[in-house]
Amino acid sequence: GESVGLHLPTLSVQEGDNSIINCAYSNSASDYFIWYKQESGKGPQFIIDIRSNMDKRQGQRVTVLLNKTVKHLSLQIAATQPGDSAVYFCAENMDDRGSTLGRLYFGRGTQLTVWP
Amino acid sequence: DTAVSQTPKYLVTQMGNDKSIKCEQNLGHDTMYWYKQDSKKFLKIMFSYNNKELIINETVPNRFSPKSPDKAHLNLHINSLELGDSAVYFCASSQDGGPGYTFGSGTRLTVV
Repeated sequence: GESVGLHLPTLSVQEGDNSIINCAYSNSASDYFIWYKQESGKGPQFIIDIRSNMDKRQGQRVTVLLNKTVKHLSLQIAATQPGDSAVYFCAENMDDRGSTLGRLYFGRGTQLTVWP
Repeated sequence: DTAVSQTPKYLVTQMGNDKSIKCEQNLGHDTMYWYKQDSKKFLKIMFSYNNKELIINETVPNRFSPKSPDKAHLNLHINSLELGDSAVYFCASSQDGGPGYTFGSGTRLTVV
């Protein structure tokens, strides 16, 4: 079943501020996590990923933090822009068969709204 | 060039009808997926095919039947449509079954 959840369904920030989107997961066997961004009328788009042997990974204006102790994942967006307004999903890969044919389980999503 | 393309983008049909959604990817990926997104934006995996072979079949009614004529195509056929089938259906693909999916833009199915 689904084990990925989100703490906040909506988040409103002012342009230029930093955004933090949180995600909790319950399956300690998950070894790979991904953040996706979904704009209205579009499919989810890959933002950044992190493996379970890491606790931090940085991209362009985005940082993902992984805390395996409390099974928590967060996405930080620096200097949030109006174009960042979208639904953000965390997803975990639970490959329970030891193969590379992983399956992604998605959290419920957080709607980020950026105000000018 | 569209990497993962789905047709149609919108589909409105009556209960009891049979319909199909087509998906094609030009990325050379060997694994394709169907996901269902409900009205609350929840995304749930339905099926996965690797090199035309069914790999994942989550708890989905057998009214839903995926078909993969080749590894670049994964179609979804739905029989006897019900109101609860209304959702956005996303096709996705990845290489070697790895989790870095590329999603299509979705097909919004409305059953009336």
